[in-house]
Amino acid sequence: QKEVEQNSGPLSVPEGAIASLNCTYSDRGSQSFFWYRQYSGKSPELIMFIYSNGDKEDGRFTAQLNKASQYVSLLIRDSQPSDSATYLCAVRGATNKLIFGTGTLLAVQP
Amino acid sequence: GAGVSQSPSNKVTEKGKDVELRCDPISGHTALYWYRQSLGQGLEFLIYFQGNSAPDKSGLPSDRFSAERTGGSVSTLTIQRTQQEDSAVYLCASSPWGEGEAFFGQGTRLTVV
Repeated sequence: QKEVEQNSGPLSVPEGAIASLNCTYSDRGSQSFFWYRQYSGKSPELIMFIYSNGDKEDGRFTAQLNKASQYVSLLIRDSQPSDSATYLCAVRGATNKLIFGTGTLLAVQP
Repeated sequence: GAGVSQSPSNKVTEKGKDVELRCDPISGHTALYWYRQSLGQGLEFLIYFQGNSAPDKSGLPSDRFSAERTGGSVSTLTIQRTQQEDSAVYLCASSPWGEGEAFFGQGTRLTVV
């Protein structure tokens, strides 16, 4: 079992729709969870972080964390073509090592 | 500095040569990570430094790979006797403490010919 798992996609959504990206992790001691966006040929850039169970909203982005289910998700409302990228879930485990999933490719269709 | 700085941006080397990749983290950041990203793949964890603690080397793929961090700041990743499968983008990230958000440099694209 991989430490952090994501569906590789591609996830295709129409412009203006909600994109839902999901991630599961194996280390129950994990405390910090991050979503990064990576455009082709570029470095990952931080979108959001979440430390507590529940929802955290920042503009069009909402991160959701359920530690009991070892599940973290990212919702993107009013998706735009500029949101098309690979979204990486990252989990910091009990040893503080930051592990990334393989990423989900999101394609927003105009 | 304003962000994480990596050098060189691109490196082409011959198989069997040694290479050194440099990472200059954001000033004051105590944690530093190295990752490798092969074409179309995810980020593979290599090594993690946190302050003066012993580094977590659990991701280094072979003994040809090593890294050091001098004075708690600049880090160098060294790959000895490079192989074609070492070709990838090597990314460095730093965070203000062991539990904070990590910010990435622009990466070093290594090509072994």
